[in-house]
Amino acid sequence: DTAVSQTPKYLVTQMGNDKSIKCEQNLGHDTMYWYKQDSKKFLKIMFSYNNKELIINETVPNRFSPKSPDKAHLNLHINSLELGDSAVYFCASSQTSGGHLTYEQYFGPGTRLTVT
Amino acid sequence: AQTVTQSQPEMSVQEAETVTLSCTYDTSESDYYLFWYKQPPSRQMILVIRQEAYKQQNATENRFSVNFQKAAKSFSLKISDSQLGDAAMYFCAYWHNQAGTALIFGKGTTLSVSS
Repeated sequence: DTAVSQTPKYLVTQMGNDKSIKCEQNLGHDTMYWYKQDSKKFLKIMFSYNNKELIINETVPNRFSPKSPDKAHLNLHINSLELGDSAVYFCASSQTSGGHLTYEQYFGPGTRLTVT
Repeated sequence: AQTVTQSQPEMSVQEAETVTLSCTYDTSESDYYLFWYKQPPSRQMILVIRQEAYKQQNATENRFSVNFQKAAKSFSLKISDSQLGDAAMYFCAYWHNQAGTALIFGKGTTLSVSS
């Protein structure tokens, strides 16, 4: 009964490859997020979608492209992977409009991406 | 722009003792939320405690409590009766909680607990 799930949990790949990380939430939330935790453990927002609309797009290389096919899913595709992309990527969700607002974000387990 | 500062990269405490982790933040908003998240080696982000800025009363959750000083923009976490399982990285975070906003995290404090 996982609330926010991510696949895969671990991803090891070579430089130059293209990879995707998938996220799904079964909480009925309207907003989903991608955060990146770098090697120094610093967490920073990358993207956010509200009802399938991109609402946060931080300064991230164009090689990163999020896609939200529906409210419950948010995927992250990364082209031409570089060594510096190695990090843990967290998906999160919340309800930010209408009824039943949540006052916290619910995090997935994270995906550890290692680029060699 | 909002910022969150955790000035203690590392802290240590003995079992059963009390420890306080510091956090300061900067914002021009009046309505916001503050959080402490725990990240053990499993890397799962676990919400420890939440404080609504409009509430004057400090939040408590069992052995965890906060000292929220809105005017000073300070939000410290007190862990009482520390346990070995409390060892983890702790992140202070700020959220304006409107569409188009996201959590802003401090750099974290690594807490070690010794027996």
